[in-house]
Amino acid sequence: SQQGEEDPQALSIQEGENATMNCSYKTSINNLQWYRQNSGRGLVHLILIRSNEREKHSGRLRVTLDTSKKSSSLLITASRAADTASYFCATDATGNKLTFGGGTRVLVKP
Amino acid sequence: DTEVTQTPKHLVMGMTNKKSLKCEQHMGHRAMYWYKQKAKKPPELMFVYSYEKLSINESVPSRFSPECPNSSLLNLHLHALQPEDSALYLCASSQDRRTSGGATRFFGPGTRLTVL
Repeated sequence: SQQGEEDPQALSIQEGENATMNCSYKTSINNLQWYRQNSGRGLVHLILIRSNEREKHSGRLRVTLDTSKKSSSLLITASRAADTASYFCATDATGNKLTFGGGTRVLVKP
Repeated sequence: DTEVTQTPKHLVMGMTNKKSLKCEQHMGHRAMYWYKQKAKKPPELMFVYSYEKLSINESVPSRFSPECPNSSLLNLHLHALQPEDSALYLCASSQDRRTSGGATRFFGPGTRLTVL
């Protein structure tokens, strides 16, 4: 079952613009992770934010976490055509179980 | 070596066939996972192995049989599959959460399975 819901389901932007996607989840978490998946391939880990953190940066990526609202956002700044992919949030609650949200498909047009 | 490898890349099988998917990592990770992913859907957890022992089985049908022969290898044995089992099967590994407190998953490229 999905823990997270992502919004929007799809996003189309021009190269150079920023892309923002949101993730909501239902239960308490230890951390929330974001992954990228290029078409039909394996997932690549982007960033992990722990439940006691509010914001984290990695290169052109900025992730926020609001545990009171059970939500997170991923911002990609100055997007490039190579950022075209599906982006998934995933919540890590107990044990070794990581549960993925529905994903946001991002298309960056050159 | 920070790579998870999976073989084969593609597999086509009939409903009466028996086949196996293989996954290997040499990062010293003690947790390994199988996920199933249908088109335009998120990965769904199937099995988790922790220190070579099956720790989570997400009510997967018995026609899928996992095996972890050692800390580097993970297999998924397939038998009498149905066409609806066609999907991308992803293997992943991580530090075990008991020792890491929240672990990044390293994913393999997946096996694209088609059941005829």
